[in-house]
Amino acid sequence: GAVVSQHPSWVICKSGTSVKIECRSLDFQATTMFWYRQFPKQSLMLMATSNEGSKATYEQGVEKDKFLINHASLTLSTLTVTSAHPEDSSFYICSAGGALKYLEQYFGPGTRLTVT
Amino acid sequence: RKEVEQDPGPFNVPEGATVAFNCTYSNSASQSFFWYRQDCRKEPKLLMSVYSSGNEDGRFTAQLNRASQYISLLIRDSKLSDSATYLCVVNRNSGNTPLVFGKGTRLSVIA
Repeated sequence: GAVVSQHPSWVICKSGTSVKIECRSLDFQATTMFWYRQFPKQSLMLMATSNEGSKATYEQGVEKDKFLINHASLTLSTLTVTSAHPEDSSFYICSAGGALKYLEQYFGPGTRLTVT
Repeated sequence: RKEVEQDPGPFNVPEGATVAFNCTYSNSASQSFFWYRQDCRKEPKLLMSVYSSGNEDGRFTAQLNRASQYISLLIRDSKLSDSATYLCVVNRNSGNTPLVFGKGTRLSVIA
């Protein structure tokens, strides 16, 4: 299957700092990537749709000024959590689609963020 | 009504058992349907796509009923390694659009 990587796999930061998470499609070009968040024992919730070369589309309730998304190339999307707070602690996962089979999406391994 | 609904379980079954999971979705515009598997603290991994005609992959069989907006997954001859959370997933609309996830059904296969 297609390979999607994320970096870092886990990060601990202090409240008020910013954290950048990278999502890369390693063996295909992804014009669209998706960012999800998952709290413990909850389902994955879509945060935003990241389109290469254009502004991201955010889901209702997701602050675009807090969660900055950049999709500068066909293989890289970044999510920056600005001024992180403990309630932002979560599992952040990206996905990219349309690689081998249209409409299927492949997920990165996720980034576990802990804000202290 | 939630977009994708699943019985959260847990389903605790002995090795070798057959177990079935069900899922309903609310958006009739959804065109693509999947079952993903998620292990604890890991990312979801695609188990199989679900087609209208039904499809089988080894011990796993998926069915789709568009009229009832209902998806199922059947696992035969359960293995210990099948223990995981199974996520029912649909896309929001046609094309390469975001996926909507159910909360998942937890399966524990017991020796």
